[in-house]
Amino acid sequence: DTAVSQTPKYLVTQMGNDKSIKCEQNLGHDTMYWYKQDSKKFLKIMFSYNNKELIINETVPNRFSPKSPDKAHLNLHINSLELGDSAVYFCASSATSGSSYNEQFFGPGTRLTVL
Amino acid sequence: AQSVSQHNHHVILSEAASLELGCNYSYGGTVNLFWYVQYPGQHLQLLLKYFSGDPLVKGIKGFEAEFIKSKFSFNLRKPSVQWSDTAEYFCAVNAAYGGSQGNLIFGKGTKLSVKP
Repeated sequence: DTAVSQTPKYLVTQMGNDKSIKCEQNLGHDTMYWYKQDSKKFLKIMFSYNNKELIINETVPNRFSPKSPDKAHLNLHINSLELGDSAVYFCASSATSGSSYNEQFFGPGTRLTVL
Repeated sequence: AQSVSQHNHHVILSEAASLELGCNYSYGGTVNLFWYVQYPGQHLQLLLKYFSGDPLVKGIKGFEAEFIKSKFSFNLRKPSVQWSDTAEYFCAVNAAYGGSQGNLIFGKGTKLSVKP
């Protein structure tokens, strides 16, 4: 059973388009995250979200917005895509209690290429 | 601001050599520490973690790490590497307490290449 899944795995699109990446976790976790990994493999937090609080990394452009229809899903919407948005986007989740408290489980990543 | 430094960008070893990857962090409070591995084309997997207690932590696949609080360090070690250990290794920290405690701050990663 996949713990954290993302769709699509690959996304190729034109500059200026709007796209979404979906993330689902079946671990019963209450906090989910989005990370961006750039071409140099550097990973940076974009958002963290639980049912109480959205924490946004201040460096993330407001063209990026997380949408959470329920606790198990955190989708990433990107408007007006730019060349610099090309990266691998990872979703992750964690629990705020229990034996795996604060340990993040990562999805397989979505490689976004903006042409 | 929190930050994580990994000293080595690319490490090349022969099989059976010993490995030590450096990691230092900067943070004023109590932290949790992690090492993740990313095999080529794959997602991040947790190797080991330190929350509290014994500063020598053992993880999967024969890896271990030692937390030295006075040096703000959490170096990763393996006595004998294998070709299958070829991957990118990331050190990460998050705050043990506070509103943004979950957010992981990653180092820039160390690429390990093991020659057969």
